Amino acid sequence: QKEVEQNSGPLSVPEGAIASLNCTYSDRVSQSFFWYRQYSGKSPELIMSIYSNGDKEDGRFTAQLNKASQYVSLLIRDSQPSDSATYLCAVKNSGAGSYQLTFGKGTKLSVIP
Amino acid sequence: DAGVIQSPRHEVTEMGQEVTLRCKPISGHDYLFWYRQTMMRGLELLIYFNNNVPIDDSGMPEDRFSAKMPNASFSTLKIQPSEPRDSAVYFCASSQTGRGFYSPLHFGNGTRLTVT
Repeated sequence: QKEVEQNSGPLSVPEGAIASLNCTYSDRVSQSFFWYRQYSGKSPELIMSIYSNGDKEDGRFTAQLNKASQYVSLLIRDSQPSDSATYLCAVKNSGAGSYQLTFGKGTKLSVIP
Repeated sequence: DAGVIQSPRHEVTEMGQEVTLRCKPISGHDYLFWYRQTMMRGLELLIYFNNNVPIDDSGMPEDRFSAKMPNASFSTLKIQPSEPRDSAVYFCASSQTGRGFYSPLHFGNGTRLTVT
């Protein structure tokens, strides 16, 4: 069973601080990794994708991938109250032509003004 | 583009009744996914289609669940008979091939199902 693990939180950070969200996955040959944000009562929306080891930056968001450790993280710099949401880590399953994503249960982030 | 459209947004039904959830994917997307989300289990993939053909239904919990995709613009998820443990938010999502590794899912607004 392919698993994606996240700390459920809640993770509380003060406004302006860096929020660090972590995710581990069990399928060693996974190639594609995604972070989705889900506001309460809304559907998930893609905010970051990463495929290679290292860091990928997009505005205030940085995704970090370490395939040897099977670890993905998301850093949110200068956190804003509008960043308060649940962040879902998703891993694209291995296998030719596979288009399935396995999601973690999510980490709830609360940014305190 | 209107995005993925799901209906109804909310469904309240009694145990034993049949429930049908509907989804219209984004035009041109050739993959369609049905997910179920609960607090306990998170987002679980139930079934997915490619070009209207079911590819993997291993996530369908039991025979009470069935899904169809009669054409590229419509899919249904049916539960018959429904049970209280089926209460969840059901999401439909679509995506498009031909983009290498990057195949983002576009989610609909979901259907919140309550079975009493």
